[in-house]
Amino acid sequence: NAGVMQNPRHLVRRRGQEARLRCSPMKGHSHVYWYRQLPEEGLKFMVYLQKENIIDESGMPKERFSAEFPKEGPSILRIQQVVRGDSAAYFCASSLTVGSWDDNEQFFGPGTRLTVL
Amino acid sequence: AQSVTQLGSHVSVSEGALVLLRCNYSSSVPPYLFWYVQYPNQGLQLLLKYTSAATLVKGINGFEAEFKKSETSFHLTKPSAHMSDAAEYFCAVSLLGANSKLTFGKGITLSVRP
Repeated sequence: NAGVMQNPRHLVRRRGQEARLRCSPMKGHSHVYWYRQLPEEGLKFMVYLQKENIIDESGMPKERFSAEFPKEGPSILRIQQVVRGDSAAYFCASSLTVGSWDDNEQFFGPGTRLTVL
Repeated sequence: AQSVTQLGSHVSVSEGALVLLRCNYSSSVPPYLFWYVQYPNQGLQLLLKYTSAATLVKGINGFEAEFKKSETSFHLTKPSAHMSDAAEYFCAVSLLGANSKLTFGKGITLSVRP
């Protein structure tokens, strides 16, 4: 069973460009989470999605950032008009829907490292 | 609301020595607590989790942690450090288990000296 896949692993953008980060959850997982890790910081929650629904976006910046998890295909985190402060590692995690919550865990992908020039 | 405090950013131990990484949490409801490990340029791997069952939790690679409600702590220990334990360790809390957002501490880098 393949783990959580993220691509690209490294992304370089110039200020003002758009960044699109992709996340394919583990097979059978329908919960997806996006986290951002700034240098010397822990991970900060951004958004929690289920298929076609945003469940919790309390950590998403109000402007330029959006996320989706369509019925088919990967989850996408989109950053419009990137600025240097967006440079960070972006991690995706996924979890199961069924069973006891006590039995579940979030499985993390390897991350996408975004560099804004 | 919930938060996690990991005091200090770096811990160095000798190979074979005890590893102790501290984590204190703040939560308005009984929390779910997690320890994750991150190796360079990789994602996070779950070491262990506390989900209101036994207060002493055993995880992978010989790590364990004890939930102490009175001290609001969930410190991570390993009796004997191995060179391969060198990594960054994150403590995290959630209010609703795995299917809700995780709030992470800033992380602690563990170095192991030969």
